[in-house]
Amino acid sequence: GQSLEQPSEVTAVEGAIVQINCTYQTSGFYGLSWYQQHDGGAPTFLSYNALDGLEETGRFSSFLSRSDSYGYLLLQELQMKDSASYFCAVRAPRGANNLFFGTGTRLTVIP
Amino acid sequence: GAGVSQSPSNKVTEKGKDVELRCDPISGHTALYWYRQSLGQGLEFLIYFQGNSAPDKSGLPSDRFSAERTGGSVSTLTIQRTQQEDSAVYLCASSPRTGVKNIQYFGAGTRLSVL
Repeated sequence: GQSLEQPSEVTAVEGAIVQINCTYQTSGFYGLSWYQQHDGGAPTFLSYNALDGLEETGRFSSFLSRSDSYGYLLLQELQMKDSASYFCAVRAPRGANNLFFGTGTRLTVIP
Repeated sequence: GAGVSQSPSNKVTEKGKDVELRCDPISGHTALYWYRQSLGQGLEFLIYFQGNSAPDKSGLPSDRFSAERTGGSVSTLTIQRTQQEDSAVYLCASSPRTGVKNIQYFGAGTRLSVL
């Protein structure tokens, strides 16, 4: 089966940098994804790593270490609008195509 | 359409009643997914469609839950004899095909409250 662990809550100051960690266990690995969800809103795709290393998309970066079954999402120059829940997700094993999500990290950005 | 559309946005029902939740995926997307999100929790997979067929129904929590998709487009999730534990946000997602960066495009969901 699959399991993902991420911190339940993180608080950071506007303009700062925050890192949200995710460790996973999965039988078969098909990439680690990150989604953002504002309260009452739809989850939206942020980033994806299939190979080890860092992927950068504007203020957001995501890192993956397959040997450590670990990844993180890095948010730079935090803005108040970044306050949301962030989910890491892995694809289910071959033959299934749904995503398996962690329980999410609620990020609160304070002035 | 421009995005994934779900209706109704909110549904309040009495225990024991049947409900139907609708999802209109992005035009041309062949894959469609249903998830359930309880308050403060992650997303729980329910069912996946490729075209009109559902190769993976493993996430449906009980036989009270069923889903269909017609014309490779609109999907309906039906919950029969609703129970209070069915209260959650039901999210639908679509993707152009599977395996492309795992990107799924989500609707805003239907918030179901069973009284």
